[in-house]
Parts: sequence; structure tokens; C-alpha cells
Amino acid sequence: DAKTTQPTSMDCAEGRAANLPCNHSTISGNEYVYWYRQIHSQGPQYIIHGLKNNETNEMASLIITEDRKSSTLILPHATLRDTAVYYCIVRVAPGGTSYGKLTFGQGTILTVHP
Amino acid sequence: GAVVSQHPSWVICKSGTSVKIECRSLDFQATTMFWYRQFPKQSLMLMATSNEGSKATYEQGVEKDKFLINHASLTLSTLTVTSAHPEDSSFYICSASGPGTGQFFGPGTRLTVL
Repeated sequence: DAKTTQPTSMDCAEGRAANLPCNHSTISGNEYVYWYRQIHSQGPQYIIHGLKNNETNEMASLIITEDRKSSTLILPHATLRDTAVYYCIVRVAPGGTSYGKLTFGQGTILTVHP
Repeated sequence: GAVVSQHPSWVICKSGTSVKIECRSLDFQATTMFWYRQFPKQSLMLMATSNEGSKATYEQGVEKDKFLINHASLTLSTLTVTSAHPEDSSFYICSASGPGTGQFFGPGTRLTVL
């Protein structure tokens, strides 16, 4: 799976949008971009994933650049409960030999402050 | 989303004893389950992948005789840490996926070996 690079930490004011970047310059054509987050002492929580089109769900939006070498996770109105470690993971498509395995990097520690 | 539970949520044991951790998919059939380990201030590290009815596949450096994994049914996988030592103290997290589903994580089990 392709390697990802994320900033170590970011701050965001409550109520503002949090924009978390991720670089995945070696991504291949059949690899998806997944985002998970982990609140302290809990298991990771799925947020969103995409292949090449922008995606939106009730939690967040995912913007993938046209060349697919980077993406941005957007939390439109961050709350204190969004404080967590956010992981950007590139994962092979279903059917790949290593499908299912998630390789976690160090992630971005997002701190939402009042 | 699908629910994955783990039991116990925390356990303290003496050095040399064995500890069993259960991972259950509550509302879907998990054909594949994954076991991760997370040390303080570090990211999740995949230990092994298990498919229902098959032997687990261990990641490089993980001792299969020490970390016994059983995935005998589509809703239950167990991880047994045999002859636990203080260096095995960690946060153990399972995840599960089924046909056509994403990967859902349990809440984790905190193991402390005295």
C-alpha cells in the first residue's frame, strides 16, 4: 500500500472548519483513500473514503486532488468531541491480495479548542 | 454502522499467566478479523489477520506461539496472550469485516501485566 504523510498536529477553533491534509504521492490507480480517527483510549472510527471523486457524508467531506497525490479531510463545524488522532490510509481495492489490511501511520493530532 | 465488541475492556494479570481477549461482531458476519496492538503514544500495529475457519496470518515479528488467534465462527475471534510478560502490556484492538462491508473496530482491551 502507498505511504501517506500527514502533519503531526493541528489546532482548530470550535465551530470552525478543520482541514486535515494528507499526501499520498505514490498512490496507484486502484487504491482508495480512507480516513479514520481515534479518540483517546478507544478503537478507531471510520470517517469516509474515496477513490477519485470528492465525497461527503454526515461526518465529513473528502477532497481528492485531480492527480490523486493528496487529499484533504474537512470537518465543517468542529466540536470539542472531534479532538482525536486522524489517520489517512491508502488501501488496495477489493479483490487485491492484501485487501483489508490497514497500515496506520502516525496520523494528525487534531485539537479543537473553545 | 456495524458494531464490534471486545471483552474484557481491561485486564490486569500476573507475569507468566495467559490472557484471552474476545472480539465479537454483533450485527454482521465477519469473514475476516484483524488484531492490532498499540503502545502508548504510538500508532496501531497490525499483528495478524484471521479468516473464519482458517489459520491466522501473522505479521513479521509477531510470535504466533505467543499470540494465539482463533476465529472459529463468523462472529467471534479470540486472541490469547500466552505466558504474558510486562512488555506485552499494551492496548489490543480488533477489527472485523464481512462480505461487502468496511472494516469496523472494537473499543480495545487494555492489558497490564504485572
